[in-house]
Amino acid sequence: SYEVTQPLSVSVALGQTATITCGGNNIGSNFVHWYQQKSGQAPVLVIYRDNTRPSGTPERFSGSNSGNTATLTISRVQVEDEAAYYCQVWDAGTGRRFGGGTKLTVL
Amino acid sequence: QVQLQESGPGLVKPSQTLSLTCTVSGGAISSGDYYWSWIRQPAGKTLEWIGRISGSGSTNYNPSLKSRVTMSVDTSKNQFSLKVISVTAADTAVYYCARDSVVAGHDTWGQGSLVSVSS
Repeated sequence: SYEVTQPLSVSVALGQTATITCGGNNIGSNFVHWYQQKSGQAPVLVIYRDNTRPSGTPERFSGSNSGNTATLTISRVQVEDEAAYYCQVWDAGTGRRFGGGTKLTVL
Repeated sequence: QVQLQESGPGLVKPSQTLSLTCTVSGGAISSGDYYWSWIRQPAGKTLEWIGRISGSGSTNYNPSLKSRVTMSVDTSKNQFSLKVISVTAADTAVYYCARDSVVAGHDTWGQGSLVSVSS
């Protein structure tokens, strides 16, 4: 089955830039979606099709996808950005596949 | 604005069947633009996609769960449902229903329903 890997945790100072990666074999050939999940809440879609923001997602959130790595970038990180972030791809063998999730801590 | 709401028992005994229903409001479940997914999350763990169903009843299941899972849709009630047979403690999780856009992934989620498997 297709494996998708994320770092367990990322820490960033308030106002700085956070980078969260999502690794997979030739993941650049698949569309990647990103979800934000705050403690005790349902996930929320923040980026779809690699780099498109749904209405409601701040412009500080951006995405890219190439080769074996997709990246979620959060510029000018705010306290309210502290959450778990999950990437997701479609794999022909297993369907929708989530990464293990990355806990973003704002220092 | 589409909203989703899960409903069903919060406690299921081992070896029995877990049943959940998701009620969709604010839009027709029969819309051809979307599938309707079930996703679960054990406490402290990542999200696991269980499967999805279209408004016409076409399904895709996660192979790891396919032998135990059945999804159905009731367009007259604007609902879709999940059944998992032969449950064990490993099936204890928060179960989410979500709208599955072919273009944009899971763009709308229910609030989640905690299901515990215990005798």
